[in-house]
Amino acid sequence: SYELTQPLSVSVALGQTARITCGGNNIGTKNVHWYQQKPGQAPVLVIYRNNNRPSGIPERFSGSNSGNTATLTISRAQAGDEADYYCQVWDSSTVVFGGGTKLTVL
Amino acid sequence: QITLKESGPTLVKSTQTLTLTCTFSGFSLTTNEVGVGWIRQPPGKALEWLALIFWDDDKRYSPSLRSRLTITKDTSKNQVVLTVTNMDPVDTATYYCVYSRGLGSPSFDPWGQGTLVTVSS
Repeated sequence: SYELTQPLSVSVALGQTARITCGGNNIGTKNVHWYQQKPGQAPVLVIYRNNNRPSGIPERFSGSNSGNTATLTISRAQAGDEADYYCQVWDSSTVVFGGGTKLTVL
Repeated sequence: QITLKESGPTLVKSTQTLTLTCTFSGFSLTTNEVGVGWIRQPPGKALEWLALIFWDDDKRYSPSLRSRLTITKDTSKNQVVLTVTNMDPVDTATYYCVYSRGLGSPSFDPWGQGTLVTVSS
């Protein structure tokens, strides 16, 4: 079965750029979606199809996908960006989530 | 505005069958390319996809749980029902209902608020 690998945690200084990776075999050939989940809340879609932002998501959120790694980039990180982030793809007509990354804003 | 809300028991016993209902508004499950699915999250753990049903009644299941899952829709009631048989304490989780649209590899947006289901031994 297809697996997605995310770092358990990423730290970023306030106002700096955070990058959260999602690794998978030839993930660059797939569409990657990213979700943000704050404590006690349901996940929210922040990036769809690799690099598209839903309405209401700040331009500070961007995505890229190539080779074996997809990346969620959060520019000018704010305290409110502290959350868990999950990547997601489809493989063989089923859905796969990464293990999640906890983003800490210092 | 699309909304989804999960309902069902908060506590079930081992070996019992769990039945969850997702009641939605703001769209029709007869519209092309629309789907409704279920995703769960054990306390403190990662998201796990369970099942998805499409407008044309196509159904997809998690390979690891396929034998225990059944997803159905009632378009007249705007509801999707998920049943999980032979529940075990490891199935304790928050269960989310989600909306999807698009062919190929759609994302999930929005999500319901989730419902916590605890399985006792």
